[in-house]
Amino acid sequence: DTAVSQTPKYLVTQMGNDKSIKCEQNLGHDTMYWYKQDSKKFLKIMFSYNNKELIINETVPNRFSPKSPDKAHLNLHINSLELGDSAVYFCASSQGGVGTDTQYFGPGTRLTVL
Amino acid sequence: AQSVAQPEDQVNVAEGNPLTVKCTYSVSGNPYLFWYVQYPNRGLQFLLKYITGDNLVKGSYGFEAEFNKSQTSFHLKKPSALVSDSALYFCAVRDAFTGGGNKLTFGTGTQLKVEL
Repeated sequence: DTAVSQTPKYLVTQMGNDKSIKCEQNLGHDTMYWYKQDSKKFLKIMFSYNNKELIINETVPNRFSPKSPDKAHLNLHINSLELGDSAVYFCASSQGGVGTDTQYFGPGTRLTVL
Repeated sequence: AQSVAQPEDQVNVAEGNPLTVKCTYSVSGNPYLFWYVQYPNRGLQFLLKYITGDNLVKGSYGFEAEFNKSQTSFHLKKPSALVSDSALYFCAVRDAFTGGGNKLTFGTGTQLKVEL
């Protein structure tokens, strides 16, 4: 009965590879997010989708492409992985896309690029 | 623009003592303020939020926070700390007047260590 789930939990890969992280929420929320947490624990938003529509697209390399097949899923595909992409990636969801809505986070995916 | 500052990288407190984790913010309009906690190798867990109304907000696990508009602060407090409260705490802010989605800006985090 996990609210926001991500797969995989750990991802170790070589530079130049392409990888995907999947996220699913069973809260019935309309809005989903991707965050990146770097080695210093700094959290920064990358993308947000509301009902499958992209509404936040921060300054992120275009090697990162989010895809939302339906409002319960938001996947993150990363092309040509670089060492600097190593981080923990968190998915989150909220009821709507307004500022009063609480965001609920998944357990994170630790990506290590070698 | 919206920003949030957590001036302390680490806070140490003895079990049973009160704890305070500090947070100050900057927004153009009215703030929406949140506290989250992150345990090792886990995701962020929501503790509490201030949207409007009473300046003292009560949240999960006995935590509370006080919104102070004149000091632009939203400090997290607990009357009696537990060893199990040891974790990384994040303050986050959202400017009510900013459009373009529910974009939260997080502070750099404060590591709370509660010792016996």
